[in-house]
Amino acid sequence: LAKTTQPISMDSYEGQEVNITCSHNNIATNDYITWYQQFPSQGPRFIIQGYKTKVTNEVASLFIPADRKSSTLSLPRVSLSDTAVYYCLVGVHAYSGAGSYQLTFGKGTKLSVIP
Amino acid sequence: EAQVTQNPRYLITVTGKKLTVTCSQNMNHEYMSWYRQDPGLGLRQIYYSMNVEVTDKGDVPEGYKVSRKEKRNFPLILESPSPNQTSLYFCASSRQGAESYNEQFFGPGTRLTVL
Repeated sequence: LAKTTQPISMDSYEGQEVNITCSHNNIATNDYITWYQQFPSQGPRFIIQGYKTKVTNEVASLFIPADRKSSTLSLPRVSLSDTAVYYCLVGVHAYSGAGSYQLTFGKGTKLSVIP
Repeated sequence: EAQVTQNPRYLITVTGKKLTVTCSQNMNHEYMSWYRQDPGLGLRQIYYSMNVEVTDKGDVPEGYKVSRKEKRNFPLILESPSPNQTSLYFCASSRQGAESYNEQFFGPGTRLTVL
């Protein structure tokens, strides 16, 4: 099963660009890479998803190199409200059942934005 | 409003007393899943369901049961809770499809304490 590895924590000043990288060496050909944001006492919230190259939406950008063994979430000009835990997710087609799709989250990166 | 609901939100119980945490979604999603979240361990998948009457084990299924008799409901059952099941539990759902599985919609969470 694919495992993901991300930094435990990061600090950034307001207004800076933040890049969080996730390693997923065993990603399968058909798997997508997804990032979530979680605030205390809330469920995670979908931010962005990609398969290869670069994806951008109104919140973030996602960079995926050609070998797809890692991905980088980029948050432009962070503010205090971006202080949260960010999770990388890679889906896995489980070996135990045809068509099964097990999801493995990373342990998350706690981003602290400093005024 | 599209949402995933969980009940109860908070529960304190004693060892061995059977309990059920309900989960319901109103988005007609095929895929549903349960996670537990513990400090330093991130989100770990307990069980998931690809569709009605189809369930599979995630990373940490021991001590839990699930059922999927209806598309909208996916209850989590603890037949004989133990203190090591004290945790924050999240239910989530998503549409079917390689590009959709990872886009999980999460419920608000259930904080369970087993004494």
